[in-house]
Amino acid sequence: QSVLTQPPSVSGAPGQRVTISCTGSSSNIGAGYDVHWYQQLPGTAPKLLIYSNINRPSGVPDRFSGSKSGTSASLAITGLQAGDEADYFCQSYDSSLSGSVFGTGTKVTVL
Amino acid sequence: QVQLVQSGAEVMKPGSSVKVSCKASGGTFNYYTFTWVRQAPGQGLEWMGGIIPIFGAANYAQKFQGRVTITTDESTSTAYMELSSLRSEDTALYYCARGDMLTAPFFDYWGQGTLVTVSS
Repeated sequence: QSVLTQPPSVSGAPGQRVTISCTGSSSNIGAGYDVHWYQQLPGTAPKLLIYSNINRPSGVPDRFSGSKSGTSASLAITGLQAGDEADYFCQSYDSSLSGSVFGTGTKVTVL
Repeated sequence: QVQLVQSGAEVMKPGSSVKVSCKASGGTFNYYTFTWVRQAPGQGLEWMGGIIPIFGAANYAQKFQGRVTITTDESTSTAYMELSSLRSEDTALYYCARGDMLTAPFFDYWGQGTLVTVSS
């Protein structure tokens, strides 16, 4: 059972904006630990999408953006495309568990 | 460019142990975290533990304490994950990933995954 909670699914039409929340607690996100986001396309390994809350690795389009506030973080995807259909996971560190933790995952569907 | 290449799929009997390898190339091995993440069929990602080769000591998720051992061989730039007392619930895709040395590392390179099937 993950300590970072995400909605199971979000959907949107092509071109629309969707957001995915990642809710934690005072021992992880609320303690100030960075949040990172991964995209997992079907049948592939996860790919780093956002690191340290707001940063995009080289090659990630600026349609993807991250934010963090209090005990939560969010990933926004603007200009939704068919190729964005994937599972998305947040990740942080939890001081109570003394290790990294992943979110429950969110499936993004493009209508 | 950095590449992580994992060993091939394994079929194991309940109660046995499995050891998966992850060979890194294209980067400095000793100064990164090498972590293991598993994904059961249709499920999410689960952090198992990690190790920084230059420090040597591994850190394990509480769920796997006593059953998992993560090691590295600096001479071959290879990380290993051994899981013992296997049960059917351990059937999963096991990934290695490279992270920085921060307290809350992000994982920028991933192996291709190794499918471990536990079945009698």
